[in-house]
Amino acid sequence: DQQVKQNSPSLSVQEGRISILNCDYTNSMFDYFLWYKKYPAEGPTFLISISSIKDKNEDGRFTVFLNKSAKHLSLHIVPSQPGDSAVYFCAAINAGKSTFGDGTTLTVKP
Amino acid sequence: DAGVTQSPTHLIKTRGQHVTLRCSPISGHKSVSWYQQVLGQGPQFIFQYYEKEERGRGNFPDRFSARQFPNYSSELNVNALLLGDSALYLCASSSGELGTSRFYEQYFGPGTRLTVT
Repeated sequence: DQQVKQNSPSLSVQEGRISILNCDYTNSMFDYFLWYKKYPAEGPTFLISISSIKDKNEDGRFTVFLNKSAKHLSLHIVPSQPGDSAVYFCAAINAGKSTFGDGTTLTVKP
Repeated sequence: DAGVTQSPTHLIKTRGQHVTLRCSPISGHKSVSWYQQVLGQGPQFIFQYYEKEERGRGNFPDRFSARQFPNYSSELNVNALLLGDSALYLCASSSGELGTSRFYEQYFGPGTRLTVT
């Protein structure tokens, strides 16, 4: 039973527009959430995080939103750049254990 | 600064054999975690170590074990290899202290690709 789901395997966006990546979770005990970006042949890179006591965290072009009642997490990238093309994983933490989604491949077209 | 390093990069083993994978964290990072990633899926948590003590364990059989050394490097051992153990094994380190949010903000190595035949 997958506790963290990224329902869109892929997303294509035009350069300069907004990219919205989504993540749903089922375990209400998750207390910390993270987004990672992964390029081919490299390990994932930490991008941004949010605690369950907050509903928004912003870092430059990246903003993470948390809707606890809906058990939904999203990552907004504005404006999107071709270098943002990668696989994005969301992850959730509970009791010291990290649970990752299966990733969404973002393609930003010039 | 060097990132997380893992060795070897690729490994081929036969079913029933034993394997040891190695990881060196970023300098100053005291926490090391291990993940298994199969194609098309996200990383699956195996272990987390902090200051040489196990701090978290995922749902993996006892054939999987790990340890962290005084210099914070780590080894992942897998006994009695099965075909299903074929995967990319990722190591990640963290600079955060235990109990802080940064404890979970991890930096990953490129992984060791294990093939079991």
